[in-house]
This record gives sequence, C-alpha cells and structure tokens, in this order.
Amino acid sequence: EAGVAQSPRYKIIEKRQSVAFWCNPISGHATLYWYQQILGQGPKLLIQFQNNGVVDDSQLPKDRFSAERLKGVDSTLKIQPAKLEDSAVYLCASSLDGSSYNEQFFGPGTRLTVL
Amino acid sequence: AQSVTQPDIHITVSEGASLELRCNYSYGATPYLFWYVQSPGQGLQLLLKYFSGDTLVQGIKGFEAEFKRSQSSFNLRKPSVHWSDAAEYFCAVGAGDYKLSFGAGTTVTVRA
Repeated sequence: EAGVAQSPRYKIIEKRQSVAFWCNPISGHATLYWYQQILGQGPKLLIQFQNNGVVDDSQLPKDRFSAERLKGVDSTLKIQPAKLEDSAVYLCASSLDGSSYNEQFFGPGTRLTVL
Repeated sequence: AQSVTQPDIHITVSEGASLELRCNYSYGATPYLFWYVQSPGQGLQLLLKYFSGDTLVQGIKGFEAEFKRSQSSFNLRKPSVHWSDAAEYFCAVGAGDYKLSFGAGTTVTVRA
C-alpha cells in the first residue's frame, strides 16, 4: 500500500514570501492532519480534516496559515507571508477515521527554512 | 490538558546493549499512550500503543513498553539494540478527543 506522499521535501524561502505544501494521503483515509515540528520539539497539530471538512484548526495561525482539502483527498497548506519562526518540518498524516484512535500514518515531511 | 515529558534529550547506547526510554504523562483520566519512531528523513512510525488491559505491551521491531499508573509513566524498552534503531523516539498521549500530544523526543545514537 502506498504511504502518505508530501512535496516538496525541502523548501528555502525568505521571510515575507509565500509557500505551499502538498499532501496526498493514503487512499480511503477520511482523516488528514497537518503537524508542525520545530527543531527540538515534538509534532504539534495545526489542523485536522475529516473528509473535506475542518474538525480542528484551533492551533493554526490563521492570519498567515491556510489549508484546504479538495474533494476530501489531497490537501495543501499555505503560509503567506512566512516568518522566521515558521522554519520547521511540516508533517502530513492520515488515518481511516478521526473519531477513534486509529493509527495515524505519517508522510516524510517538508522541511521549510525561512531566511 | 494532557502533556508528555521525555526527560532524556539524547541517549547513546552500544549495539547489543539494552535500551530504555522514559516517558511521563500528565492526564487526569486513563490515558491513551503511544510510542513513535522517526528515522532520518522519514515520517513517524507507530511502534506500539496502550489503551487498556495488560500493562506490558509489545510492539514492532522488538520493542515493548510498560504502563505504570502510579508513576504516570510509559517507558519504552528493547533488550538488544541494533544499529538500525538509531532514530528519534516520541511518546504521545491522547485524551478523549482522539488528538495526540507529543513529547519533545529522545534521540538515540547506537555506537558499534
């Protein structure tokens, strides 16, 4: 079974620029998560989708971050404008259903460096 | 709110030696506990989980963990470490909302 795909794997931008990340979850997984992992910290949930609806975006900095999940499959996470503190690895994960503790499967992440 | 503490930032162990990684959680009710491993350039992979029942749980890659309610701990162990176990290990706790709170991680280095 194919895993969670993410692109790009690495991105370097200057502050105030925009950037977008893409995630393709495992086929059939209804729930999709975006996490931010800052160096030296564990992953922090930014947003959770159930199909194409948002379940939880309480930790998403909505003044600069946005995310969508088109047709309940692929998802994009955008940062506009980026700040230095946004430098992190952005992880996408998916699970069968977010209404229980089904296993979350993680992609390899996108490492963002903001200069 | 729930939280996780992993007291050891970095552990170095010799190949073939035993490994124990510590995890302490804070949560008022019965927690759901997880251990994930993240190899360089890879996503997180679930090693094992505890929901209820037997407090000693077995996972993949020869890992096990023991839930101790009295100590609020869920330590991960492996009897004999292989070089491929070099990675970062994350403990996570889930509350009733099915969301995970991760610890800061422990990096394991394996020396020959």
